[in-house]
Amino acid sequence: KNQVEQSPQSLIILEGKNCTLQCNYTVSPFSNLRWYKQDTGRGPVSLTIMTFSENTKSNGRYTATLDADTKQSSLHITASQLSDSASYICVVSASRNQFYFGTGTSLTVIP
Amino acid sequence: NAGVTQTPKFRVLKTGQSMTLLCAQDMNHEYMYWYRQDPGMGLRLIHYSVGEGTTAKGEVPDGYNVSRLKKQNFLLGLESAAPSQTSVYFCASSYSSGSGDTGELFFGEGSRLTVL
Repeated sequence: KNQVEQSPQSLIILEGKNCTLQCNYTVSPFSNLRWYKQDTGRGPVSLTIMTFSENTKSNGRYTATLDADTKQSSLHITASQLSDSASYICVVSASRNQFYFGTGTSLTVIP
Repeated sequence: NAGVTQTPKFRVLKTGQSMTLLCAQDMNHEYMYWYRQDPGMGLRLIHYSVGEGTTAKGEVPDGYNVSRLKKQNFLLGLESAAPSQTSVYFCASSYSSGSGDTGELFFGEGSRLTVL
């Protein structure tokens, strides 16, 4: 069964600290993996995309990694800011218009 | 460039009433989707469309109908609303490259529906 699991479910960190979010998937065949950020009351917005051949990709303070062998991805946030408070959703694509969603990690950054 | 626009943003219905959610995109995307998002659950696909005039069922289609008469618009209808349909609804659109790779999903801001 195609599934995407994220951990932790929620996380609270102090402003300025780093954190890492995890995504494990069993989706096959694999096309790509994206991390989305969803601010409260808004729609999700793509942060990064990882294809099968990519191990690491950065977008500012966000760095995503992908291990296609173990089917794991992580999203590392460096020097967190209050504006990073959001839900982070891992989405794995199997093929054209087939998307599998994780339930998200709710991140709260406190001053 | 507006991207994906949903209307209305909020709506309260009584059980048994009907309504239509409108989604419009200005990116010339072929694919459009309707999702619902409930607490503790991931986004779940209701219906989707791979092009003008075509629609297909997703994971949770019961109680909903859709239409895609124009490429830029995707309508979601509730014929007889039930309290279980209380949720936040998101429309999304995506492109696809010629190689078949799945493109990025572009989401609207969501429509919060409450059924009493």
